[in-house]
Amino acid sequence: GQNIDQPTEMTATEGAIVQINCTYQTSGFNGLFWYQQHAGEAPTFLSYNVLDGLEEKGRFSSFLSRSKGYSYLLLKELQMKDSASYLCAGMDSNYQLIWGAGTKLIIKP
Amino acid sequence: IAGITQAPTSQILAAGRRMTLRCTQDMRHNAMYWYRQDLGLGLRLIHYSNTAGTTGKGEVPDGYSVSRANTDDFPLTLASAVPSQTSVYFCASSDSAGEGNEQFFGPGTRLTVL
Repeated sequence: GQNIDQPTEMTATEGAIVQINCTYQTSGFNGLFWYQQHAGEAPTFLSYNVLDGLEEKGRFSSFLSRSKGYSYLLLKELQMKDSASYLCAGMDSNYQLIWGAGTKLIIKP
Repeated sequence: IAGITQAPTSQILAAGRRMTLRCTQDMRHNAMYWYRQDLGLGLRLIHYSNTAGTTGKGEVPDGYSVSRANTDDFPLTLASAVPSQTSVYFCASSDSAGEGNEQFFGPGTRLTVL
């Protein structure tokens, strides 16, 4: 079966660094996406990885290990506006996205 | 540029009623998708369309139907609503259905079936 696992909730302090992990199991693999979703809003795209390694984009970085079925999203210099849910999604062999339930990130001052 | 619009924003519906959720995009994207999002669960794909004139079933298609008469519009119809269809519905689109194409989401429709 296909499955995406990520922690339900994490708490971090403003200015700090947080790493949100995701493990995936998909039928075939065409890449791993991270989306951000603020409460009551639509998901918005953050990153895409299809090759092993780290992709850096400003304060956000995403890592992929295909052999381990593992990805993480790294958020640096946390700001209060980063309080949101972070959704991990794997793209399967049919180019469909399989979504995790999301990690709710709470930022404390 | 609006991107993707959905209507209505929210709706309360009696069980057994028919309802169509509207979705329109102005990005000339070929692929469009309908998801439902329920608390504690990931987004689940209901139906998709890789190009105008074609549609496919996703993970949870029962009780829903779609059509794709043109590039811009992708309505989702609940033929006879049931309480288990209470959810937030998101429409999304991407340039194509292939590898690496990010999906852009509409603002969602919050549907309550009583």
